[in-house]
Amino acid sequence: DTGVSQDPRHKITKRGQNVTFRCDPISEHNRLYWYRQTLGQGPEFLTYFQNEAQLEKSRLLSDRFSAERPKGSFSTLEIQRTEQGDSAMYLCASGRHPEETQYFGPGTRLLVL
Amino acid sequence: GENVEQHPSTLSVQEGDSAVIKCTYSDSASNYFPWYKQELGKRPQLIIDIRSNVGEKKDQRIAVTLNKTAKHFSLHITETQPEDSAVYFCAASKGSNYQLIWGAGTKLIIKP
Repeated sequence: DTGVSQDPRHKITKRGQNVTFRCDPISEHNRLYWYRQTLGQGPEFLTYFQNEAQLEKSRLLSDRFSAERPKGSFSTLEIQRTEQGDSAMYLCASGRHPEETQYFGPGTRLLVL
Repeated sequence: GENVEQHPSTLSVQEGDSAVIKCTYSDSASNYFPWYKQELGKRPQLIIDIRSNVGEKKDQRIAVTLNKTAKHFSLHITETQPEDSAVYFCAASKGSNYQLIWGAGTKLIIKP
């Protein structure tokens, strides 16, 4: 499968714990995006990378959230000191700049108890 | 900033009939307009997109129309089938260096 992959697909954690998600984009895609989606809502932009450079972060993004893409391929999203409000689906998408099209992964569903 | 409004929030049509979902955007500099389909618990999937230099684009039973003057674009699905049931999202951006701004989604229900 050459699509975007994410790991894990599901994560249950207790409030206050740290979690890390991984995204593997489509090969040779230089852009990688992270979104959060709650039930009944559209994807909410979190941040994006071009190669290894993080070009934009949402102003709404708490400093408990951090993302990396160290070698310009896979990316990780870490949430520190999780809160119940962090429960959501975390989606990753990749694209090939300058094309605008974004291709989504299956998401990681996070439940914070 | 850019805002995208999507209507209706829920649309129920008889199988075989057509469905139309409409979106309006606020930033006249927007030039890329994708539509995504998302089935319950699954990833958003791009079904069609259009750029501002084109007024209409078709792909089998799906078409998108764009009216730049009025700043709105619409998704048309003809001969609807049960597998078309999903949530559809529109989005707009000013290009690949800008965020995609998403609509709130339309839940499409196909009645047998």
